[in-house]
Amino acid sequence: GAVVSQHPSRVICKSGTSVKIECRSLDFQATTMFWYRQFPKQSLMLMATSNEGSKATYEQGVEKDKFLINHASLTLSTLTVTSAHPEDSSFYICSARVWGSETQYFGPGTRLLVL
Amino acid sequence: GENVEQHPSTLSVQEGDSAVIKCTYSDSASNYFPWYKQELGKRPQLIIDIRSNVGEKKDQRIAVTLNKTAKHFSLHITETQPEDSAVYFCAASSGNTPLVFGKGTRLSVIA
Repeated sequence: GAVVSQHPSRVICKSGTSVKIECRSLDFQATTMFWYRQFPKQSLMLMATSNEGSKATYEQGVEKDKFLINHASLTLSTLTVTSAHPEDSSFYICSARVWGSETQYFGPGTRLLVL
Repeated sequence: GENVEQHPSTLSVQEGDSAVIKCTYSDSASNYFPWYKQELGKRPQLIIDIRSNVGEKKDQRIAVTLNKTAKHFSLHITETQPEDSAVYFCAASSGNTPLVFGKGTRLSVIA
């Protein structure tokens, strides 16, 4: 149980384009989903917290207009990187949590390369 | 907010030896402390966690200890094997707050 999927697993795009990443909880309902970014050989940095049916809460320094998050259902959250630039190239990982539980289950990650 | 420090950043051990990774946290309200193992290019996998009402937890070769007074917790891996080689992250949270991660420890088990 507690499987989280992400799509796509990797994406290459041109600078200036937008990229959408989907995060799904496959066998449970996730009231809260989190989006992290991980640069090579670094830790996971929280970008935003996404609660179903409400606006996402962004961490300091993360531009909400650049990283659009939508959590339309209890099993799906999306992250859209708008007007992507090479410095946005990174490993984006989502995680999901059931209400009342502290445990976070991670998706397999999406490797984004912006040329 | 919470701040989690993790040491060492790299650790090499001989196969069969034990490995210990230590973390400290700053927020006394934190009450949940998971450990994740991440292999290159893969997702973090939860390997063990501990809550603040427990001082120690063990699962086969893996154990975690928690000292709430000192605000530190440790991961112990005994009888290490080459497949234990990975990056290990500690984390902390309280209630419904997001996990805050340490910077990670790259463990190499030398056969």
